[in-house]
Amino acid sequence: DAKTTQPTSMDCAEGRAANLPCNHSTISGNEYVYWYRQIHSQGPQYIIHGLKNNETNEMASLIITEDRKSSTLILPHATLRDTAVYYCIVRGDSWGKLQFGAGTQVVVTP
Amino acid sequence: GAGVSQSPRYKVTKRGQDVALRCDPISGHVSLYWYRQALGQGPEFLTYFNYEAQQDKSGLPNDRFSAERPEGSISTLTIQRTEQRDSAMYRCASVGTGELFFGEGSRLTVL
Repeated sequence: DAKTTQPTSMDCAEGRAANLPCNHSTISGNEYVYWYRQIHSQGPQYIIHGLKNNETNEMASLIITEDRKSSTLILPHATLRDTAVYYCIVRGDSWGKLQFGAGTQVVVTP
Repeated sequence: GAGVSQSPRYKVTKRGQDVALRCDPISGHVSLYWYRQALGQGPEFLTYFNYEAQQDKSGLPNDRFSAERPEGSISTLTIQRTEQRDSAMYRCASVGTGELFFGEGSRLTVL
C-alpha cells in the first residue's frame, strides 16, 4: 500500500494558488517526499522533492510540516495546463520499492 | 537517447499469446522500474532492478509475469499466456540524480 494519502480531487480557479495536501504520517527520518503529476495519458512528470526544509523551483513550492507527517504542494498561479493528477510519494535513501497512490485530480477552471 | 524509451507503444494481442515489452532507460541510470497503470488509477508497482539484479518483484501479479535486465541496461517485461485482465498501460522508469524519469508507456490490449 502507498505510504501517502491525498484527497481524491480538487478544483482551482485559473490564476489562483492551488494548495495540494498530502499525509505521510509514517514517514521515516531518511525518507524524502516527492511530487509528480500526470497529464492525460502521458508518463508522470517530476515536480519537486524535499526532505525537511521547504523547497521551491520554477514549477512549485513544497511545504513540509515540522513533524514531517504532512506536506503541501503549492502551484502559485494555476493555469489550465496544470490540470492533471498529482501524486505524492515517499522514498528512502536507496530508492527501493516506490509506490504511488491514486493521487489528486486537480481541475483548473477559467 | 535523451529519455526513457519503451516499445512497442501499442500492442494488441489475442488471449493466450505471449508478449514482450521493452524498456531502454536513460544511459547510465542504475535503477529501473516497471509499473502497470489501469485507466483512472495510479501507477501500480511491479518490479525494479539495480543494474542487472532484480531487487523486488513483489508487485508482479502472478508467475505469468517476468522481467529481466541482463546487462544492466535494457529491460524486458514478459507476459506469458496473456489474459484480458492484463490489458493496461505498462510504464518503465529509470532513476537519475534525485528524479524518477518515466517513459511514454506501452499500451497492451488483450482481445
